[in-house]
Amino acid sequence: GAVVSQHPSWVICKSGTSVKIECRSLDFQATTMFWYRQFPKQSLMLMATSNEGSKATYEQGVEKDKFLINHASLTLSTLTVTSAHPEDSSFYICSAVTGNNQPQHFGDGTRLSIL
Amino acid sequence: GESVGLHLPTLSVQEGDNSIINCAYSNSASDYFIWYKQESGKGPQFIIDIRSNMDKRQGQRVTVLLNKTVKHLSLQIAATQPGDSAVYFCAENLSSGSARQLTFGSGTQLTVLP
Repeated sequence: GAVVSQHPSWVICKSGTSVKIECRSLDFQATTMFWYRQFPKQSLMLMATSNEGSKATYEQGVEKDKFLINHASLTLSTLTVTSAHPEDSSFYICSAVTGNNQPQHFGDGTRLSIL
Repeated sequence: GESVGLHLPTLSVQEGDNSIINCAYSNSASDYFIWYKQESGKGPQFIIDIRSNMDKRQGQRVTVLLNKTVKHLSLQIAATQPGDSAVYFCAENLSSGSARQLTFGSGTQLTVLP
């Protein structure tokens, strides 16, 4: 149980394009989803917290117009990296929780490479 | 700001030995702690969690110890196997509002030697 699917797993695109990443909770309804960014050999850094039907809460230093988050249902959240540039290349990971006092369950991440 | 940290960035153990991974946290108000395992190219995998009203919790081959006095958390893996090789993260959570955000430590790379 508590499976989180992330798609795509790997994407390469040209600088200036926008990339959408999907995060789905397959066997449970997620009240809250989180988006993280991870650079090689570093820890996970929280980018934003997404609650179904409401605006995402972004961490300090994360541009909300750059990283658009939509949480349209209890099983789907999307992250769109707009006008991506090489410095946006990273490993993006989502997680989902069923409610308070429950652990976050993570997707397998999306490797984004911007040329 | 307050953060979660790890004592050792790397740990090598012989197959079959026990492993101990340590973690220090600085926020005394944190009330929920989780250990995650991350294999290369994958997302973190939940291993075990513990709440602040406990000092020990056991799972299958794993034990988490919590010492609130010195704000220290450890993960013990019994009879370490090659498949245990991965990066291990501790994460702390402070209950505030409706969102349980996690703060991750820097991670420990565990390598199991044959």
